[in-house]
Amino acid sequence: GAVVSQHPSRVICKSGTSVKIECRSLDFQATTMFWYRQFPKQSLMLMATSNEGSKATYEQGVEKDKFLINHASLTLSTLTVTSAHPEDSSFYICSARGGQTQETQYFGPGTRLLVL
Amino acid sequence: AQSVTQLDSQVPVFEEAPVELRCNYSSSVSVYLFWYVQYPNQGLQLLLKYLSGSTLVKGINGFEAEFNKSQTSFHLRKPSVHISDTAEYFCAVRSWGTASKLTFGTGTRLQVTL
Repeated sequence: GAVVSQHPSRVICKSGTSVKIECRSLDFQATTMFWYRQFPKQSLMLMATSNEGSKATYEQGVEKDKFLINHASLTLSTLTVTSAHPEDSSFYICSARGGQTQETQYFGPGTRLLVL
Repeated sequence: AQSVTQLDSQVPVFEEAPVELRCNYSSSVSVYLFWYVQYPNQGLQLLLKYLSGSTLVKGINGFEAEFNKSQTSFHLRKPSVHISDTAEYFCAVRSWGTASKLTFGTGTRLQVTL
């Protein structure tokens, strides 16, 4: 199956700093990438959808200035949490689809963010 | 609009017993159906998917699911579970079309014990 990687897997930062999370599709070209947030014991909440070379489309209630998404190439998308605060602490998961896997979304391993 | 219902939030089962995790969906158009598994502190792994064709689909780790259009269901089954199957299972649906988004159910926690 298609492989999606995320880096870092875990990050701890101080309140007020910015954190960048990378998402890569390793063996396919991801025309569309998605960023999700997951709270403990809950389902995934879609934050935004990005198409390569275009601005991301954010879901209602998600601050676009807070969560900056860049999808600069067909294999890389980044999520930057700007001026992070403790309430931003969460599990962030990216997902991608494209190429011969247009119908199916493949997920990264997730990034655990802890803001102190 | 589409929605997914996973009625069972938790399913306890003994090792080597069969299990069925229920999933029902609602959509006014044709859909793709998926089951994903999530182990603790990990992302989602695709178990199986129904895109078209045969309604019985087989996935990894011995799981299978059957698409039932009349009952709008896509229940996941395994004839004999292992301790290692303990995880969270998510059913998801996406309508046909490149712009559509994946809609998840609330998840079912499968707890396998000896």
